[in-house]
Amino acid sequence: NAGVTQTPKFQVLKTGQSMTLQCAQDMNHNSMYWYRQDPGMGLRLIYYSASEGTTDKGEVPNGYNVSRLNKREFSLRLESAAPSQTSVYFCASSVQGDSGANVLTFGAGSRLTVL
Amino acid sequence: AQSVTQPDIHITVSEGASLELRCNYSYGATPYLFWYVQSPGQGLQLLLKYFSGDTLVQGIKGFEAEFKRSQSSFNLRKPSVHWSDAAEYFCAVVPILTGGGNKLTFGTGTQLKVEL
Repeated sequence: NAGVTQTPKFQVLKTGQSMTLQCAQDMNHNSMYWYRQDPGMGLRLIYYSASEGTTDKGEVPNGYNVSRLNKREFSLRLESAAPSQTSVYFCASSVQGDSGANVLTFGAGSRLTVL
Repeated sequence: AQSVTQPDIHITVSEGASLELRCNYSYGATPYLFWYVQSPGQGLQLLLKYFSGDTLVQGIKGFEAEFKRSQSSFNLRKPSVHWSDAAEYFCAVVPILTGGGNKLTFGTGTQLKVEL
């Protein structure tokens, strides 16, 4: 049981280049999320998908787009990368818990450097 | 403003010593509360959670946390720390909102170092 799988694990981009981070979960979870982690700032929500076919902005969505391709997959795209997007990106998924409380399962992270 | 605060950025303890990591929240009503741990180079793993009921909750790896409504706190504790507990610890909350909206908000984390 793989859980949440993210690819790639490492990526170096030049300013202005585009790329897509892929995420897949095999737990039949309804909800999926993309977070970024920066030193001293904890994890901040970029986008989330409460269920297949829906996506919503989180705290820091600017410069990103997402696609919920199906129930398993949720991709994050950087159309024109900027140095400020250098970060570690985490994908997560959850079953919509009782009363809306979500216990998240995280992937191992993708480290992105933008030069 | 609604927030989650972890006042200690770094904590160092000796192996075998007790540990308490602080977490305070500022929300209008008691949110759902979580502690996650992140080992170096890894994703986050859930240690424990509080939704309602008994204010002392037990988690994995010998951790526990106590919810104190009067102090808006959810501090994480362990009686005897092991070297393998060295990691970064995150407190997180989900505000209980009517009409939906249940996004997890993280504190800035506490880096734990364990001295042998």
